[in-house]
Amino acid sequence: NAGVMQNPRHLVRRRGQEARLRCSPMKGHSHVYWYRQLPEEGLKFMVYLQKENIIDESGMPKERFSAEFPKEGPSILRIQQVVRGDSAAYFCASSPQQGSGNTIYFGEGSWLTVV
Amino acid sequence: SQQGEEDPQALSIQEGENATMNCSYKTSINNLQWYRQNSGRGLVHLILIRSNEREKHSGRLRVTLDTSKKSSSLLITASRAADTASYFCATDLRTGTASKLTFGTGTRLQVTL
Repeated sequence: NAGVMQNPRHLVRRRGQEARLRCSPMKGHSHVYWYRQLPEEGLKFMVYLQKENIIDESGMPKERFSAEFPKEGPSILRIQQVVRGDSAAYFCASSPQQGSGNTIYFGEGSWLTVV
Repeated sequence: SQQGEEDPQALSIQEGENATMNCSYKTSINNLQWYRQNSGRGLVHLILIRSNEREKHSGRLRVTLDTSKKSSSLLITASRAADTASYFCATDLRTGTASKLTFGTGTRLQVTL
């Protein structure tokens, strides 16, 4: 049973370009979460999605960031017009069902570097 | 201070010694979880302890939770060099909805031979 798969693992973008990060949840998991980790910091919640629905995006920056989890295919975190401050590790996690207290499983992360 | 703060920020011990990390939080929680992160890697879930539990064990790991003091501790006994990593506590504030974890800034553990 493959774990949460994220790609690319490392991504370099110039300022102003777009970054697209993909996440395939574990098999059977229909809940996806995105977290961001700045250097030397803990993870910060960004968004929680179910298939075709954004449930909680309270941690998403108001501009340039968007996320989707289509009926078919991986979840996508999209960052438009990247700036240096977007450089971070972006982690996706998934869980099998709704309900607080369920363990969520993290992927290996996508490291974005903006030059 | 933020929800979920670990103490100390960094810890260096010798192999075979025990390592204790503490986590404090501010608001009521549903559960608290500990994760490990090796440098440049993702997070590995270690233990989940619910708000009505006081202690949990998993192999060489022991986690305690004191809801009256809003604090938790992670004890790693007989540490090994492979335990070198950052350790994060994460609090889950929600009940009845999917987990939305709030992470601390972590404790960097270095275990030397």
